[in-house]
Amino acid sequence: ETGVTQTPRHLVMGMTNKKSLKCEQHLGHNAMYWYKQSAKKPLELMFVYNFKEQTENNSVPSRFSPECPNSSHLFLHLHTLQPEDSALYLCASSQDLTGGSWRHNTDTQYFGPGTRLTVL
Amino acid sequence: KQEVTQIPAALSVPEGENLVLNCSFTDSAIYNLQWFRQDPGKGLTSLLLIQSSQREQTSGRLNASLDKSSGRSTLYIAASQPGDSATYLCAVRSRGKGTSYGKLTFGQGTILTVHP
Repeated sequence: ETGVTQTPRHLVMGMTNKKSLKCEQHLGHNAMYWYKQSAKKPLELMFVYNFKEQTENNSVPSRFSPECPNSSHLFLHLHTLQPEDSALYLCASSQDLTGGSWRHNTDTQYFGPGTRLTVL
Repeated sequence: KQEVTQIPAALSVPEGENLVLNCSFTDSAIYNLQWFRQDPGKGLTSLLLIQSSQREQTSGRLNASLDKSSGRSTLYIAASQPGDSATYLCAVRSRGKGTSYGKLTFGQGTILTVHP
């Protein structure tokens, strides 16, 4: 166990559904991340939150909407997804020692087990 | 833009063999390089992290080296065991000013199978 949990572990949804993915970290970290891992592509960064503030949106379509209500919880709200959005969505957290300049943070990221999403 | 390539894509070896996984990256301006392990249907576990000023890191049967100038890293696994079977991912954190700045850029991984 890495101290990062994700729910649900598996999710099947239609293109018109609205669902949310949840991530919780028990490590006392102040930076959290969403990554997407598709079958044919390398793992890629989607969003970064530092001290509950979104500091990076890696050109992600608006049908993905992140939310970070506190430093321990991170959500990814999903609506009107496409079949090509089917992937493993991974959450990670780290301790940002740079005071918000996450790009300079070289601390290890700890990953959750992921949510396997299938869009029909 | 940073790109990371891992060779081979898949590797199958008998138990007890020593093996080497390769990782190359296009931009040598990095903060560090990490090797991760991913088991089927699970998240990533960090194995070794090498800062840009370091040449290698060791943990148990694992040894990772870094040649930043040539853009290469190797992960050496000694005396492989069936429990080592997993996907191994290499990732670099870029410090060059560009779209990859500050981000972890991952390779596609090497799928390792160690059979008894």
